[in-house]
Order: sequence, then structure tokens, then C-alpha cells
Amino acid sequence: RKEVEQDPGPFNVPEGATVAFNCTYSNSASQSFFWYRQDCRKEPKLLMSVYSSGNEDGRFTAQLNRASQYISLLIRDSKLSDSATYLCVVIGYSGGGADGLTFGKGTHLIIQP
Amino acid sequence: DTAVSQTPKYLVTQMGNDKSIKCEQNLGHDTMYWYKQDSKKFLKIMFSYNNKELIINETVPNRFSPKSPDKAHLNLHINSLELGDSAVYFCASSQGRAESFGPGTRLTVL
Repeated sequence: RKEVEQDPGPFNVPEGATVAFNCTYSNSASQSFFWYRQDCRKEPKLLMSVYSSGNEDGRFTAQLNRASQYISLLIRDSKLSDSATYLCVVIGYSGGGADGLTFGKGTHLIIQP
Repeated sequence: DTAVSQTPKYLVTQMGNDKSIKCEQNLGHDTMYWYKQDSKKFLKIMFSYNNKELIINETVPNRFSPKSPDKAHLNLHINSLELGDSAVYFCASSQGRAESFGPGTRLTVL
């Protein structure tokens, strides 16, 4: 089983719609979770951290379900500029140090006018 | 003002050559990383470097070696380049958790 799994998409969504995607992780000891966004031929950029209680940042809502080992990202009122690849990122801790980020392969989102 | 910078942005070279990619961060972060993003867009960590402690992903060939002259720099040296090394290489830095990425270096091996 892959460490971090995402549906690669693409998700084709009309502008203004709400879209959600999930990501599952295999390491139950994982401690920190993030969503990154990557535009074509650009570097990944942090979109938001994911907290246990769930968190919201404008049109974006992130949720964590530790029991089922998945995180989700919800985008409301989608804009054309939301078109990008969304990367699920997990940090697992082993021993005395961090393992660095483990990335999912990303979900490709296309917002259509 | 660039937080994490890399040079060069593009690198085209012949198989068998030795090349280096430089990375600098001005964020004062303690940990720096190198990632490889292949043609299938999968990002995979290669190295992390923190206070002179190097953690290597065991799948990385020993032709790849990171070198850190100081806390703000982590350069990547690649010996005897192979076709399969063609990818985008991202440098990143962090202070604990989320990482900031450099703009990437697109390496093409001919």
C-alpha cells in the first residue's frame, strides 16, 4: 500500500461549484498534515495545514479523520484560478527526527468557465 | 526577497557528466531538503540536512551527494549523470513543519 494516496483526477468542475477530494495515508503514527498546491511547471506552495479539529481558510476547508486515516480538502465557490494540482502531504515521525514530507501524487483540478 | 532560490533553473547536459545545483535559503531555517519530481509528477524526498545531520533516502544512488557549506546553503552534486536522472529537482527548507520550496531546476540528460 502506498504511503499517501490520492485520486489523480482530473476533476473537471464548473466555475462556482463546490469540489472535494480526499487523501488516505498508511502510517498511523503520522503527526502533521498539509495541503500543497502546485501549478504547472512551478514549485509546490503551502495551501494550508490540516488540524485535528478541522480548519477553514476562506473558501477552503480541511478536515482530518485519524480513525480512518484520511484528510480532505473542500473548495467552495471555485474560481478559474483554483485550477492546479493539489498535493496531500504527511509528516511522519520516527525515532528522534522528522521524516521530511511524504507527498501524494496529487489531484489535478480543472475549473471550467 | 526570494526565500528559497536555486540555480540554474534549467540544466541540459550529456550522459556521464558531473553537475551541481545550488540552493540558498534566507529564511533562517534549520533544515533543508532536496526533492526529485519525475515525469509522472511524483515528488520524492532525496535528502534532508539539519545541523550537519544528513538523512538519506535509501533509494537515492550514491552518485548524488548533498553538500552544505553553511546553514543557508545545500548544494546537490550529481556524478556520472544518467538518462533516468532527468527530472525537476526542488530544494526546500523548513523550521519544524511545513516547507518552503525553491522554484526548481529542470535537469535534462541527453
